[in-house]
Amino acid sequence: QSALTQPPSASGSPGRSVTISCTGTSSDIGGYDYVSWYQQHPGKAPRLIIHEVTKRPSGVPNRFSGSKSGNTASLTVSGLQAEDEADYYCHSYAGSNNWVFGGGTKLTVL
Amino acid sequence: QVQLVESGGGVVQPGRSLRLSCAASGFTFSSYGMHWVRQAPGKGLEWVAVIWSNGINKYYADSVKGRFTFSRDNSKNTLSLQMNSLRAEDTAVYYCAREIGPFSGFDYWGQGVLVTVSS
Repeated sequence: QSALTQPPSASGSPGRSVTISCTGTSSDIGGYDYVSWYQQHPGKAPRLIIHEVTKRPSGVPNRFSGSKSGNTASLTVSGLQAEDEADYYCHSYAGSNNWVFGGGTKLTVL
Repeated sequence: QVQLVESGGGVVQPGRSLRLSCAASGFTFSSYGMHWVRQAPGKGLEWVAVIWSNGINKYYADSVKGRFTFSRDNSKNTLSLQMNSLRAEDTAVYYCAREIGPFSGFDYWGQGVLVTVSS
């Protein structure tokens, strides 16, 4: 199972919005509404911020939103704050009890 | 509150074995599927294995199939990952994680445990 494709880096100024893409195939992202996104700060465990494409767990600010079109999922972070600077990973169910992650995107808040 | 605490990491020679454990608390452990995810130093996340709540159904990434065995004890709220025939490329931080629902995202993670495979 190949990893999902994410841009290695993204950036934005405080208060602005940034969108991170995640491209897969019809066997993973395109085939299921089980796309998740995680935020990971250096030395910390990943934190779930979006699941099932658009759902936010309790405690996650509504500045984080997810969407999907075809084989591509997207994470949008609005009203960028300094603490949003982190690595972001997409994640999808890939059928037959397999899951796949994206390679990660390093978000820099300028 | 939900807690997942991994243990058992360390340095091991190629070809040898190691057993990781994950102790769960703060939720009805027997109701959730659980996963292992690993992260090689400076690299991204890689899904390793899943075990269903019943402890019977287990599935593995191709990279570890036949070498790793995932088990759980619902009476003790613990997970185990038996890792055999270890390779240098198995070097990583290993996280146990709870799935929020079948096939869905992982909402709670342990702090991770480092496994280093080196001679």
